[in-house]
Amino acid sequence: DAGVTQSPTHLIKTRGQQVTLRCSPKSGHDTVSWYQQALGQGPQFIFQYYEEEERQRGNFPDRFSGHQFPNYSSELNVNALLLGDSALYLCASSLAGAVSNQPQHFGDGTRLSIL
Amino acid sequence: ELKVEQNPLFLSMQEGKNYTIYCNYSTTSDRLYWYRQDPGKSLESLFVLLSNGAVKQEGRLMASLDTKARLSTLHITAAVHDLSATYFCAVGSISSGSARQLTFGSGTQLTVLP
Repeated sequence: DAGVTQSPTHLIKTRGQQVTLRCSPKSGHDTVSWYQQALGQGPQFIFQYYEEEERQRGNFPDRFSGHQFPNYSSELNVNALLLGDSALYLCASSLAGAVSNQPQHFGDGTRLSIL
Repeated sequence: ELKVEQNPLFLSMQEGKNYTIYCNYSTTSDRLYWYRQDPGKSLESLFVLLSNGAVKQEGRLMASLDTKARLSTLHITAAVHDLSATYFCAVGSISSGSARQLTFGSGTQLTVLP
């Protein structure tokens, strides 16, 4: 049973560039949430996708956008990269309407470094 | 705005000792999660607490929830080196989504010393 998979594992970009990160949810899950984790801090919620639509959004600028595909996989796009965007980007998946005691499952993350 | 505060942020323990990590949150919620993160790794789910008075135990870790006090605790009994990691609590909230949005604390970095 494949868990949440993310690609790439590491990425180096320069300021002003654009980046796309990818996530495949755990088998059987249909909801994908994205989080940003800066070094030494807890993850911060970026947004959540379900039925190919953005359903909830955290306090992140419009430079952060996403997409969900019919197979439930998802992409996170960040435009006009800033040094402060350097972080570990985590994808979490879950099943909508699932029993309430199920946690969200996290992938191993993409480490993004901005030079 | 929901705020989640953990303390302590850093904790060094001797093997065999007991200690408690505290998690306070600012608004009502009925979902409290504890996760573990090893250096360079992702988040591993430890506990999901659903209701007031809930208590869950797994090995040397026990988590509890007091929704009236907006407080959760993670108690470590007879610590061993393998428990060294960063522990996060997270509060789940939902508005228009299909799953809860998690608001995390800053984490407690636990080091168990021989």
